[in-house]
Amino acid sequence: AQSVTQLDSQVPVFEEAPVELRCNYSSSVSVYLFWYVQYPNQGLQLLLKYLSGSTLVKGINGFEAEFNKSQTSFHLRKPSVHISDTAEYFCAVSLRSNDYKLSFGAGTTVTVRA
Amino acid sequence: ETGVTQTPRHLVMGMTNKKSLKCEQHLGHNAMYWYKQSAKKPLELMFVYNFKEQTENNSVPSRFSPECPNSSHLFLHLHTLQPEDSALYLCASSQERAGDYEQYFGPGTRLTVT
Repeated sequence: AQSVTQLDSQVPVFEEAPVELRCNYSSSVSVYLFWYVQYPNQGLQLLLKYLSGSTLVKGINGFEAEFNKSQTSFHLRKPSVHISDTAEYFCAVSLRSNDYKLSFGAGTTVTVRA
Repeated sequence: ETGVTQTPRHLVMGMTNKKSLKCEQHLGHNAMYWYKQSAKKPLELMFVYNFKEQTENNSVPSRFSPECPNSSHLFLHLHTLQPEDSALYLCASSQERAGDYEQYFGPGTRLTVT
């Protein structure tokens, strides 16, 4: 079975500063990787996903993530955050075998301050 | 309506009540999911339906009873719940196809059991 660890439960950051959210996974087989964002009182929205190919993945709202197979990591980054990026961010993994189920991390709350 | 909708958005019920949560997806997907989201815990997958057939029951107590009458609608029937069942219940849908397992989420139903 796969598992996901988000290393930071809360990340405070100033507006226009960079942010990195860390995600590590464990799996004995190849995986697909996802980052979702949840704004207050809303459901989850996909930011980006890694299925294959280039290990640097670009998503919506200026976010990007890099898949590192040797370190089993999929960290999310944004070079300059906005107040509107305040939200909870979830890393998720799905096995490449026929499994369509997602396993989620516990989430990282990003609070952007002016 | 577009995407995935859920009703009601908020629900307060006593432990002896019976209520139902409704989810509808307008995306033409063939798979639907129920998740439970509790504070500071990873999303817990509860049930999965694929082409109206239940393919996953993640050891969910019998006081939660899902129903999927067609590929567009998913219900979660609730009875004799416990206070620890208070949480945000999220519905999601996806279209199974090779190499793409993105799930689309509804806004959730905030359930409070008193």
